[in-house]
Amino acid sequence: QQQVKQSPQSLIVQKGGIPIINCAYENTAFDYFPWYQQFPGKGPALLIAIRPDVSEKKEGRFTISFNKSAKQFSLHIMDSQPGDSATYFCAATRSSGSARQLTFGSGTQLTVLP
Amino acid sequence: KAGVTQTPRYLIKTRGQQVTLSCSPISGHRSVSWYQQTPGQGLQFLFEYFSETQRNKGNFPGRFSGRQFSNSRSEMNVSTLELGDSALYLCASSYRGEGTEAFFGQGTRLTVV
Repeated sequence: QQQVKQSPQSLIVQKGGIPIINCAYENTAFDYFPWYQQFPGKGPALLIAIRPDVSEKKEGRFTISFNKSAKQFSLHIMDSQPGDSATYFCAATRSSGSARQLTFGSGTQLTVLP
Repeated sequence: KAGVTQTPRYLIKTRGQQVTLSCSPISGHRSVSWYQQTPGQGLQFLFEYFSETQRNKGNFPGRFSGRQFSNSRSEMNVSTLELGDSALYLCASSYRGEGTEAFFGQGTRLTVV
């Protein structure tokens, strides 16, 4: 019930490509879905987040698509750059009620080739 | 505005010892959560503190404990260290916990030998 499944485990694209990372969740009580970017030796940095009342959210080159009925959401990176090479984590949590407890996906290691 | 500060950045301890890690949240943030990151298990929630009270706890043994001070700074303690406790320990702060974004520190890399 608490699991968030993320795929693929790794992804290699050419510069300018559009990598897509997918996540699926089970717990229908989740209502806040952030994405984090992590570089080696650093902590995860919040990229973008979405709530299930919208189907898409864009911030710069990053777009989240959300499908509530399928319990799936995905991250698209437009015009990807070598500097986007990092590990990306999706996460989910309940935004109300009890305290914050992020449930993370297993991570996707993205490599953008120059 | 300063970010989340974790100290120390690196630690090497021997099996059986205990260790204390520190986290200073972003100014004004009252919620501090701790996570363990390992290659095998990924990012796993340890516990969350808000206004000096533990509000939520993950599925970790009692050797893992924490506390929060009145200035919102938090410490995490691991007693009787095991080799499997080697990990990156991350602290995240948010304004009040639920419904607000969580910002992570750079983590403390703990190696148990």
